[in-house]
Amino acid sequence: DTGVSQDPRHKITKRGQNVTFRCDPISEHNRLYWYRQTLGQGPEFLTYFQNEAQLEKSRLLSDRFSAERPKGSFSTLEIQRTEQGDSAMYLCASSPTASGNEQFFGPGTRLTVL
Amino acid sequence: AQRVTQPEKLLSVFKGAPVELKCNYSYSGSPELFWYVQYSRQRLQLLLRHISRESIKGFTADLNKGETSFHLKKPFAQEEDSAMYYCALSGRGYQKVTFGTGTKLQVIP
Repeated sequence: DTGVSQDPRHKITKRGQNVTFRCDPISEHNRLYWYRQTLGQGPEFLTYFQNEAQLEKSRLLSDRFSAERPKGSFSTLEIQRTEQGDSAMYLCASSPTASGNEQFFGPGTRLTVL
Repeated sequence: AQRVTQPEKLLSVFKGAPVELKCNYSYSGSPELFWYVQYSRQRLQLLLRHISRESIKGFTADLNKGETSFHLKKPFAQEEDSAMYYCALSGRGYQKVTFGTGTKLQVIP
């Protein structure tokens, strides 16, 4: 286990299509986060899981976005009916409970909506 | 609401010169402050956190609650310090982390 992994690394899709991203956290980490990052901005919080429970969702996460972590291990982020404004880097991070708020980031999935 | 402000998008310094990356925050409770760094073609990683009071790679940052600042400093810049630096904030025991817009540090040889 060399760290947080994300798949795919790049995704190009047409407007209106659905896309799904996967995040595999570091195995012993029970906290998992999703962020979105656009050009010139820092990561923006989307949602957070403690084990399989989704504990917080940002207002940025519209009803077209849904995230799951069914077994408390990997997580998926789905975007339905993609829009050009969804084009961004989607980052996943994980942390163990004992680390406070230190987070370990994945490489990200870059989404381009044409 | 919690907010982090990094006023400089780009900071260019010569090798060996002192570095100060500015960060100001807004938070009503007791904040936990971090600096994250992203080197070219690498993932975002934690550089330091205020509660650790560590010096990492020669960098230090002191939390000034009066000025609501958490500036990152290094006395002598090295070329390998060139990277994107993000200041971040969360509440104690609260998991949402708010990031600033980042400052690109460019160390000129």
